[in-house]
Amino acid sequence: EDKVVQSPLSLVVHEGDTVTLNCSYEVTNFRSLLWYKQEKKAPTFLFMLTSSGIEKKSGRLSSILDKKELSSILNITATQTGDSAIYLCAVEWEADSGAGSYQLTFGKGTKLSVIP
Amino acid sequence: ETGVTQTPRHLVMGMTNKKSLKCEQHLGHNAMYWYKQSAKKPLELMFVYNFKEQTENNSVPSRFSPECPNSSHLFLHLHTLQPEDSALYLCASSQDRRTVISLGANVLTFGAGSRLTVL
Repeated sequence: EDKVVQSPLSLVVHEGDTVTLNCSYEVTNFRSLLWYKQEKKAPTFLFMLTSSGIEKKSGRLSSILDKKELSSILNITATQTGDSAIYLCAVEWEADSGAGSYQLTFGKGTKLSVIP
Repeated sequence: ETGVTQTPRHLVMGMTNKKSLKCEQHLGHNAMYWYKQSAKKPLELMFVYNFKEQTENNSVPSRFSPECPNSSHLFLHLHTLQPEDSALYLCASSQDRRTVISLGANVLTFGAGSRLTVL
C-alpha cells in the first residue's frame, strides 16, 4: 500500500498555464514533506514543509501543507518549457517512535510536460 | 553539479559481469544512500550509511553489495544481475540520519545517477 500518492501521474500543459500538483500521504509520526524537481539528471530540492497553512514560495513555484487533510500542493504559475520535469514528493516520518531515525518515502512523481 | 558525483553515468553489463558504481560527495555530509529508480515506481531506498556504518538494508538481494570506506565515498558492487535490475541508480547524501538532529539534516542531495542496463 502506497504511503505517498501523487496526482496526476502525468500532465501536459501549454506555456503560460498554471498547474497544481498534489501529494497525499498516510504515515505515522510525520515530520516533514519535501518536494524535489527531477529533470534528466539529479533530483534537486525545492521545498521542505513542516507546518500547515504556511506557504513556501520560490519565484513562480509555491507549496503549502495541509496536515488535517494529510496533503500538500505544489503550484507553478506562468509555466515555461524549462519547468518540464518529474516532480517528486517525499514524506519524512518515524516508523517507531524513539527508534532513532526517520524514514523518507517517495511518491511515484508527477511528470509535467510544458509545450510551447 | 550538485556536490554529489556518480560514475559511470551509463553502464551496460551482461548477467555474468561484475561491475561497480561509485559515488563521491564533497558536502561534508555524514549520511549516504543508494536509491533505485525504475519507470513508474517510486524511488526505492536500497542502503543507508551513517558515519560509515550501514544502518539500513531494505531487503536488497545479495547481488548488490554496498561499500562505504569513508563518509565521502560510497560504492555499489554489482554481480550476476538480472535484466529487471536495469534502472537508474541514484546516490544521495544528507547531513545526518539521526532523529535528534534538527529539521533539514535529512534533506537529500542527489547525484545525477548511473543508468544501468543489464542484458
